[in-house]
Amino acid sequence: AQTVTQSQPEMSVQEAETVTLSCTYDTSESNYYLFWYKQPPSRQMILVIRQEAYKQQNATENRFSVNFQKAAKSFSLKISDSQLGDTAMYFCAFMREGSQGNLIFGKGTKLSVKP
Amino acid sequence: GAVVSQHPSWVICKSGTSVKIECRSLDFQATTMFWYRQFPKQSLMLMATSNEGSKATYEQGVEKDKFLINHASLTLSTLTVTSAHPEDSSFYICSASGHLYNEQFFGPGTRLTVL
Repeated sequence: AQTVTQSQPEMSVQEAETVTLSCTYDTSESNYYLFWYKQPPSRQMILVIRQEAYKQQNATENRFSVNFQKAAKSFSLKISDSQLGDTAMYFCAFMREGSQGNLIFGKGTKLSVKP
Repeated sequence: GAVVSQHPSWVICKSGTSVKIECRSLDFQATTMFWYRQFPKQSLMLMATSNEGSKATYEQGVEKDKFLINHASLTLSTLTVTSAHPEDSSFYICSASGHLYNEQFFGPGTRLTVL
């Protein structure tokens, strides 16, 4: 069975600084997808970034980038130039290819951006 | 991205009554829909997975007679909480995936309070 571990329950960062959220996963699958979701106080789940396991290049979306280390089963999220609106819960998630889209979530990291 | 709506966004009901929550994919056909429950400061807990026209598959520990799921069309799934009790009070989130099965699109959630 696949598991996703987020070892940082809470983190804080100063506005405009950079922060990295950690995520590790365990799987014996070779084809899968990895995601970072943001859940702000509104509780709407928002996709931040996704990574296909077969792609060696790390995904990037504006200020958000990942460090995907397939051999180490690590998938960290880097947020550059942190903004107050980045304050939210961040969930790392795993999806096995062929699983009909079933996501396995980590427990989440609460990120607070301080002015 | 694809849009998923949920209705109602919040509902208060009396103990013993039933409540129906609707989940609609607005601009794509949702081959599979997922229902989650989320307690405060916790991750999403998958309750069940449903495919259009088929019976839902419930996760271990979820009472299928209490949480009735219907996925009658490719754009609509409903969750009915039958004979609701205060312990059923929670935040319920639906999501949907299309035929590519490589991403889930989340609804905004429904806050249920049972008095």
